[in-house]
Amino acid sequence: AQSVTQLGSHVSVSEGALVLLRCNYSSSVPPYLFWYVQYPNQGLQLLLKYTTGATLVKGINGFEAEFKKSETSFHLTKPSAHMSDAAEYFCAVSGANAGKSTFGDGTTLTVKP
Amino acid sequence: SQTIHQWPATLVQPVGSPLSLECTVEGTSNPNLYWYRQAAGRGLQLLFYSVGIGQISSEVPQNLSASRPQDRQFILSSKKLLLSDSGFYLCAWSVHWGGRINEQYFGPGTRLTVT
Repeated sequence: AQSVTQLGSHVSVSEGALVLLRCNYSSSVPPYLFWYVQYPNQGLQLLLKYTTGATLVKGINGFEAEFKKSETSFHLTKPSAHMSDAAEYFCAVSGANAGKSTFGDGTTLTVKP
Repeated sequence: SQTIHQWPATLVQPVGSPLSLECTVEGTSNPNLYWYRQAAGRGLQLLFYSVGIGQISSEVPQNLSASRPQDRQFILSSKKLLLSDSGFYLCAWSVHWGGRINEQYFGPGTRLTVT
């Protein structure tokens, strides 16, 4: 079985502040982990992914995430928020079920000027 | 490069009318295909996925159905729409290797309003 929990359905930060979006997962096999971003009325876009190897992965738009097996976490960070980062973010895990990924419920990021 | 198409972009349908949403993928072979729905203010709900032609897995019981008549074509249908079918419908594809699904690529979505 596989599952994802995103802590905090809404996160608000000031422009220039650190962005931290939390994701915890469960998987019965070594997981593949993903972060996606969705802007209003659009499909999801891949931000970054972890499959194997280096546990700190860098993605587009200055985002990065660290795979921590001991904590079963894959939190998304960005050192300095920009107004254009305002969107909904989804964490996903791909594990034992070879047919599908499991998505979290999403976190809406608001960036205040 | 790979491309995914969805149409129509928006649709307004009366309750009880039929539905057909189409999704096609270009530039890849034998992809896994997915239909998701997002209700207002809610996350992604996986409706159907397909690992090959004619192979459909249903995730939730409902009045929707899906078909995959060709390798890169995925169709979402309903015989009679309900108000609760309103939402944003997303098609996606992915490749499968290493014993699990890799990243998914999403279409632009269809906004369905049932009145």
